[in-house]
Amino acid sequence: DAKTTQPPSMDCAEGRAANLPCNHSTISGNEYVYWYRQIRSQGPQYIIHGLKNNETNEMASLIITEDRKSSTLILPHATLRDTAVYYCIVRVGGDTGRRALTFGSGTRLQVQP
Amino acid sequence: GAVVSQHPSWVICKSGTSVKIECRSLDFQATTMFWYRQFPKQSLMLMATSNEGSKATYEQGVEKDKFLINHASLTLSTLTVTSAHPEDSSFYICSARRTDNYGYTFGSGTRLTVV
Repeated sequence: DAKTTQPPSMDCAEGRAANLPCNHSTISGNEYVYWYRQIRSQGPQYIIHGLKNNETNEMASLIITEDRKSSTLILPHATLRDTAVYYCIVRVGGDTGRRALTFGSGTRLQVQP
Repeated sequence: GAVVSQHPSWVICKSGTSVKIECRSLDFQATTMFWYRQFPKQSLMLMATSNEGSKATYEQGVEKDKFLINHASLTLSTLTVTSAHPEDSSFYICSARRTDNYGYTFGSGTRLTVV
């Protein structure tokens, strides 16, 4: 799985958009970008994933650059409940689920009131 | 869909005793489940891969005789911490993935405190 680089921490004002960057310059053509988050003392929660097109769901949007070497997770209107550690993970998609996800150190997002 | 239930959510035990943690996939079958450990202010570290009907695969440095994993059915994996010591105190998390879905689902975690 390609290595990812994320800033260790970020702050965001409540109600504003939170933009979390991730670099994955060695990503391969068949590797997807996944985002998970972990709220304190809970298991990680799936947010979104994408291959090369931008994706949006009820939680967030994922913007992947054309060369796929970086991506940005966007929380459009951050709330205090979005305070968590956000993990960007790159891995091959479409496998049988027999390989675990590997977590880096992630970005600790603090949403300020 | 794709719910993983983990139990208990927290447990306190005495040194030398054993603790069992259960991980169940509630609405799907999981031939493979994963166990992670997380120490304070650190990321999740994979401990082992649990395979239904066969032996678990442990990551380097994880003692298989200490962390017993059983995956007897397609919906249940258990992790038993044997002869627990204070250094085993940690947050243990299980995970599984439906084969028709790219997203991994995680349990809510078990906070183990060994006193």
